[in-house]
Amino acid sequence: DTGVSQNPRHKITKRGQNVTFRCDPISEHNRLYWYRQTLGQGPEFLTYFQNEAQLEKSRLLSDRFSAERPKGSFSTLEIQRTEQGDSAMYLCASSTGFATDTQYFGPGTRLTVL
Amino acid sequence: DQQVKQNSPSLSVQEGRISILNCDYTNSMFDYFLWYKKYPAEGPTFLISISSIKDKNEDGRFTVFLNKSAKHLSLHIVPSQPGDSAVYFCAASDYSGNTPLVFGKGTRLSVIA
Repeated sequence: DTGVSQNPRHKITKRGQNVTFRCDPISEHNRLYWYRQTLGQGPEFLTYFQNEAQLEKSRLLSDRFSAERPKGSFSTLEIQRTEQGDSAMYLCASSTGFATDTQYFGPGTRLTVL
Repeated sequence: DQQVKQNSPSLSVQEGRISILNCDYTNSMFDYFLWYKKYPAEGPTFLISISSIKDKNEDGRFTVFLNKSAKHLSLHIVPSQPGDSAVYFCAASDYSGNTPLVFGKGTRLSVIA
């Protein structure tokens, strides 16, 4: 299977703890996106990378959130001092970055903050 | 301010009939539109897309229609099958997909056997 993979699939944590999620994009996809989805809503954009460069961050991405893509391959999303409002599905998508591009999503990481 | 709107939270259709899912957008800069299907506890799966230079794109049982003047697109599924039961998201971007997607809230389709 050469699709987008995400780990872990589920994470339960206590408020105030730090969590880190990993995304492995489709091989040779230059662009990697992070989205967040809460109940009853569509996915909302958080941040994206072109290779290792972080090109844009949403205002949803507070200073407790940080994302990296150090070698232009996999990416990590860290949330520090988690809050109950951070509970959501965190989705990663990748694309080639070429014209008329399509983003392909991973299965997501479900975060529950107690 | 929601830039992509799916005004029908749910839709029920009998197996074999046509399903029509609608989507409206407000941002004139959007030029690439996509439909994704999502099952519970899974990520969205890409279904079909359309560029603003076209008004129709077809892929098997799925057809997307784009009306730029009305800022409206629709997804037609014919014939509908029970396996099509899922939440369908409309998404849009500018610069032909090379920017973050803006999603609607989704429409839950139930295909009844």
